[in-house]
Amino acid sequence: AQSVTQLGSHVSVSEGALVLLRCNYSSSVPPYLFWYVQYPNQGLQLLLKYTSAATLVKGINGFEAEFKKSETSFHLTKPSAHMSDAAEYFCAVSVNDYKLSFGAGTTVTVRA
Amino acid sequence: GAVVSQHPSWVICKSGTSVKIECRSLDFQATTMFWYRQFPKQSLMLMATSNEGSKATYEQGVEKDKFLINHASLTLSTLTVTSAHPEDSSFYICSANLLAGVGYEQYFGPGTRLTVT
Repeated sequence: AQSVTQLGSHVSVSEGALVLLRCNYSSSVPPYLFWYVQYPNQGLQLLLKYTSAATLVKGINGFEAEFKKSETSFHLTKPSAHMSDAAEYFCAVSVNDYKLSFGAGTTVTVRA
Repeated sequence: GAVVSQHPSWVICKSGTSVKIECRSLDFQATTMFWYRQFPKQSLMLMATSNEGSKATYEQGVEKDKFLINHASLTLSTLTVTSAHPEDSSFYICSANLLAGVGYEQYFGPGTRLTVT
């Protein structure tokens, strides 16, 4: 079975600073990996996904993630945080059955 | 594109009553939809996979007789919480699968907040 572990339940950054959210995966077969964002009382929005086409994946809102097989990682970054980036972020993995397994989530707060 | 709606967005019901939540894919057809449950400050827990025209597949520990799922068309899945109790209060989110490029992507509805009094 596949799973993901998000390191750090809460990340606080200053506006304009680098955002780094960590995700490690476990899968016996090549996985699909996703990052989603959730704003309060809303559903999830897809930021980006990895499907083996390219190890560096660019998503919406200036986010990108790099797939590193040797480290079984798929960390999410954004060079310069904006106040609107304050939200909950989920890493997720799926394999052949299309079902997603989510990490526990990381809450991002942005300080002015 | 790829918009998923849920109705209602919030509902309050009395203990012992049943509540139906609708999930619709507005601009695409989805043979597979998923239902999740999310407790405050926690991750999403997959409850069941809903397949159009067939029975839903429930995750271990989810009561299929309590959480009735119907996927009658390619754009509509419903979740009915039967004989609701306060412990069923939660945020319920649906998603619909869409083949996008290489592999599938799940598009999520905005969620339904259920409060059972």
